[in-house]
Amino acid sequence: TQLLEQSPQFLSIQEGENLTVYCNSSSVFSSLQWYRQEPGEGPVLLVTVVTGGEVKKLKRLTFQFGDARKDSSLHITAAQPGDTGLYLCAGRSISNFGNEKLTFGTGTRLTIIP
Amino acid sequence: DTAVSQTPKYLVTQMGNDKSIKCEQNLGHDTMYWYKQDSKKFLKIMFSYNNKELIINETVPNRFSPKSPDKAHLNLHINSLELGDSAVYFCASSQRKQNGYTFGSGTRLTVV
Repeated sequence: TQLLEQSPQFLSIQEGENLTVYCNSSSVFSSLQWYRQEPGEGPVLLVTVVTGGEVKKLKRLTFQFGDARKDSSLHITAAQPGDTGLYLCAGRSISNFGNEKLTFGTGTRLTIIP
Repeated sequence: DTAVSQTPKYLVTQMGNDKSIKCEQNLGHDTMYWYKQDSKKFLKIMFSYNNKELIINETVPNRFSPKSPDKAHLNLHINSLELGDSAVYFCASSQRKQNGYTFGSGTRLTVV
């Protein structure tokens, strides 16, 4: 069973601080996605990283895929209250039959205090 | 225009009842999914359909039966509801072999 562990599970910081969320697994994934979910809504895709070692930036958010494609990190610079939400990593894998599956991480609930 | 819409948004029902949740996507995607999110916010895949064909069934009890009348619709019927079925159920869609799932806004099911 593929498992994606995120840390920390909960994070509450002051506006303007930096933070990093980690997503770790013992499985290799063909790609890794990050989603943000707000209360009462479904997850919304932020980014997809595909190549081992790949780094992608989305304004103040920096995403990195591990060299071995087993782990990923999300770094937020100068956090703002609008960054508050549940952050989910998700690993994409493809079975021998060509069926793809997206396995979600355990989630990080981020609260930015104004 | 809503890309993935599911109804109802909230569903409160008694144990033993049968209920259905409907999902429709207007993105032209060929694959649709049902996920269950528990009270700890863990999202777990239940079913995946590609072009109306079931391709993933993740050890879900037989009381759960998905039905896909066409590529744009994937409904979830649940028989003999149990307290443990209480959760938020999300429908999602994607284009096979392309990254990125689009999720609906969820159906909060409460079994009393």
